[in-house]
Amino acid sequence: EAAVTQSPRSKVAVTGGKVTLSCHQTNNHDYMYWYRQDTGHGLRLIHYSYVADSTEKGDIPDGYKASRPSQENFSLILELASLSQTAVYFCARKVFFGKGTRLTVV
Amino acid sequence: DAKTTQPDSMESTEGETVHLPCSHATISGNEYIYWYRQVPLQGPEYVTHGLQQNTTNSMAFLAIASDRKSSTLILTHVSLRDAAVYHCILRSQGTGSKLSFGKGAKLTVSP
Repeated sequence: EAAVTQSPRSKVAVTGGKVTLSCHQTNNHDYMYWYRQDTGHGLRLIHYSYVADSTEKGDIPDGYKASRPSQENFSLILELASLSQTAVYFCARKVFFGKGTRLTVV
Repeated sequence: DAKTTQPDSMESTEGETVHLPCSHATISGNEYIYWYRQVPLQGPEYVTHGLQQNTTNSMAFLAIASDRKSSTLILTHVSLRDAAVYHCILRSQGTGSKLSFGKGAKLTVSP
């Protein structure tokens, strides 16, 4: 199965700064998802997209924007990063997940 | 609003067969049962899924009750690499439906 590639794998951001997390898939699948995971907890859906140039809100969209400029790429954007957004972020397509991006906001 | 119930943890020993139970009493007719596992610092790994019939693949056997209100993931000859948090998740038919994760069941495997 094709990969879901996330970048960066880890990042330290300052409070109030802008952060962009990127996700790339190689299978041209329609649906893509962004989840966050906090230590010791399950994954929660932030945004998802079923087609290029369109995104939908998930269960916890506040403080996040998403962008799907092409079928292969799906970005998660934190316009004003906050301490509470420190977490591990996972991108997924179909049933497959990326390896995650560990974001630390200081 | 978790729709599945799993034990918080289970323990096993290498070489054993492990039965991981999941209860989903309010499952809808169009919902599939998905199983994922996750180890620390890694993304969830797809294990298997099924609708009504039992399924098997190289990773596990999924036994689904005839009324679909429960299922059991069966891992044979477990190794240390099978130690993970196992998630039982319901997902509506169609590839676009989202996955709602709970805390899952932590499987510990001893040498």
